Amino acid sequence: QITLKESGPTLVKPTQTLTLTCIFSGFSLESSGVGVGWIRQSPGKTLEWLALIYWDDDQRYSPSLKTRLTITKDTSKNQVVLTMTNVDPVDTATYYCVHALMATNRFEHWGQGTLVTVSS
Amino acid sequence: QSALTQPASVSGSPGQSITISCTGTSNDVGGYNFVSWHQQHPGQAPKLVIYDVSNRPSGVSNRFSGSKSGNTASLTISGLQAEDEADYYCSSFIRSSTLVVFGGGTKLTVL
Repeated sequence: QITLKESGPTLVKPTQTLTLTCIFSGFSLESSGVGVGWIRQSPGKTLEWLALIYWDDDQRYSPSLKTRLTITKDTSKNQVVLTMTNVDPVDTATYYCVHALMATNRFEHWGQGTLVTVSS
Repeated sequence: QSALTQPASVSGSPGQSITISCTGTSNDVGGYNFVSWHQQHPGQAPKLVIYDVSNRPSGVSNRFSGSKSGNTASLTISGLQAEDEADYYCSSFIRSSTLVVFGGGTKLTVL
């Protein structure tokens, strides 16, 4: 059974750096073709893909946020970390991590999401 | 503005069928057979109901079906049930740095 769970701060001040952690189980990020991604959803709005890291450490980023995002993995801890620099109130959203398969958008397994508010 | 265009809302009565469209371009929906649909109930994480245009994950009702014609993908829900009332999002995988694009979402109301 694949599970993912996000954790991180609930409140971040503008200009600060946001660090989110996804701890997963039921699969290995050392398996060929496997990845973990991050998707967010601003209140009342649509989904927005942010970043994805694959088993071979290939990292992909949303072009609009590329300069502010870093995604890393620690296979020994079964965790993926997303950092977002210089946050703004528009970054207020629920952040989800997802299990991903290479070269598809088959996001079948999602975490419960974590709500992050950016406010002074 | 989302990359993929969906109607803001659709509605139907129990037992009826509805179709939600998702329009993109030849660079996304029209260029690949990697269209997915997610269902999201309030306060919950999205749930995958269709992937690769027309495939259903295990456990998803066969009342959900997907198709694609040109640059437009469609999700059809037959035999509408009250539990189908939710938001639905389409997405397309694209072989570029953008990788994944989502639609703006469609609110389904079961009358």
